Amino acid sequence: NAGVTQTPKFRVLKTGQSMTLLCAQDMNHEYMYWYRQDPGMGLRLIHYSVGEGTTAKGEVPDGYNVSRLKKQNFLLGLESAAPSQTSVYFCASSLATGELFFGEGSRLTVL
Amino acid sequence: AQSVTQLDSQVPVFEEAPVELRCNYSSSVSVYLFWYVQYPNQGLQLLLKYLSGSTLVESINGFEAEFNKSQTSFHLRKPSVHISDTAEYFCAVMRGGNKLVFGAGTILRVKS
Repeated sequence: NAGVTQTPKFRVLKTGQSMTLLCAQDMNHEYMYWYRQDPGMGLRLIHYSVGEGTTAKGEVPDGYNVSRLKKQNFLLGLESAAPSQTSVYFCASSLATGELFFGEGSRLTVL
Repeated sequence: AQSVTQLDSQVPVFEEAPVELRCNYSSSVSVYLFWYVQYPNQGLQLLLKYLSGSTLVESINGFEAEFNKSQTSFHLRKPSVHISDTAEYFCAVMRGGNKLVFGAGTILRVKS
């Protein structure tokens, strides 16, 4: 009963390096989201997708790109990592009900 | 635009005492409201939600929240907390496009 799976769970990058976070869901959900969580700031929406082949910007999209080539996968890319992108990243998926199902998070440190 | 304010960043409480975690929202339209819980080193889980109907909603583990339109509040309550309730709690409001806007979170610390 996997639900939402994020890989990797931990990553350390140097400033300027690139990486991709992978999110996979097995619930056939149309909607998928990437949030970042920082202390005292709650969760902020980076990008989201309302279906296969679609993506849209959230509150804090700068420095990130996303792709949704398959319905079950939602990729978050950092082209040139910066220390300000040190955070915990959460992927979520949902039906059109507002109930989001979250992965366990990916902790990224940018040195 | 909808936003969410959680009025307390941390709430310490003794076991078996009642607790209230406060949440206010701003919105000019009908709202869907949610409480999520995050246990250490885990993702968020839905605790309860208000979509329509009865203004008092309950979860399976004894929490309840009341939608108060006049005060634009959706406070979370539990009459008697357990150590296992120690977690961070997030209030959220739904925006267009099925997106949730989250508050900053309230850490509930239950002490024995």
